[in-house]
Amino acid sequence: QSVLTQPPSVSGTPGQRVTISCSGTSSNIGGNPVNWYQQFPGAAPRLLIHRDSRRPSGVPDRFSGSRSGTSASLAISGLHSDDESQIYCGTWDDGLNALVFGGGTELTVL
Amino acid sequence: QVQLVQSGAEVKKPGASVTISCTASGFTFANYNYHWLRRAPGQGLEWLGLIDPGRGDTTYAQRFQGRVTMTRDPATATLYITVHSLRSNDTATFYCARTDDYFGVDGLDVWGQGTTVIVS
Repeated sequence: QSVLTQPPSVSGTPGQRVTISCSGTSSNIGGNPVNWYQQFPGAAPRLLIHRDSRRPSGVPDRFSGSRSGTSASLAISGLHSDDESQIYCGTWDDGLNALVFGGGTELTVL
Repeated sequence: QVQLVQSGAEVKKPGASVTISCTASGFTFANYNYHWLRRAPGQGLEWLGLIDPGRGDTTYAQRFQGRVTMTRDPATATLYITVHSLRSNDTATFYCARTDDYFGVDGLDVWGQGTTVIVS
């Protein structure tokens, strides 16, 4: 059982815009920035969005993030077939004194 | 280039221990903190803990307290994680990752390639 809640799967067609939600509590998302990670099969995760909405160098501006209250979301516009991956949200939990993650969302491009 | 390189795959019997290494290069080892995570087959990311390479201070996930040990060797810019009393559900790919703040609030921006541990 993951501390943060994500939908198990999200899908869209090429060019479409999709969003992935991440829900938490006041101990985690309510008080700390959210980071998003993307993982392709057989590869290590990579940082996609940090501090809620900042894109690391090399991440296209098709990816954007936001946080409000105890929820966060990741938006991907202009969906590409090679966006198919597993997406995780994560943040620090002050109550658990631990880094916590969502269960992951499988992003599928139809 | 900036990278974390982990040791190779391991196969262990239940009850044994495993030690994985993670060697940093291309950046100043002491300027970052390091986290260990794992992903079991069909599961999501799970955080095991973190280490400050300066003083060696550690914070472990509660469920791994007493079963996981994290150390570092600043001379070789290498991190180590040892998981004791392995069980079959410890089968997973283990990752090290760096962050520029202690808690990883700013995100884990560089990851090792992963080390697969099979307990059987």
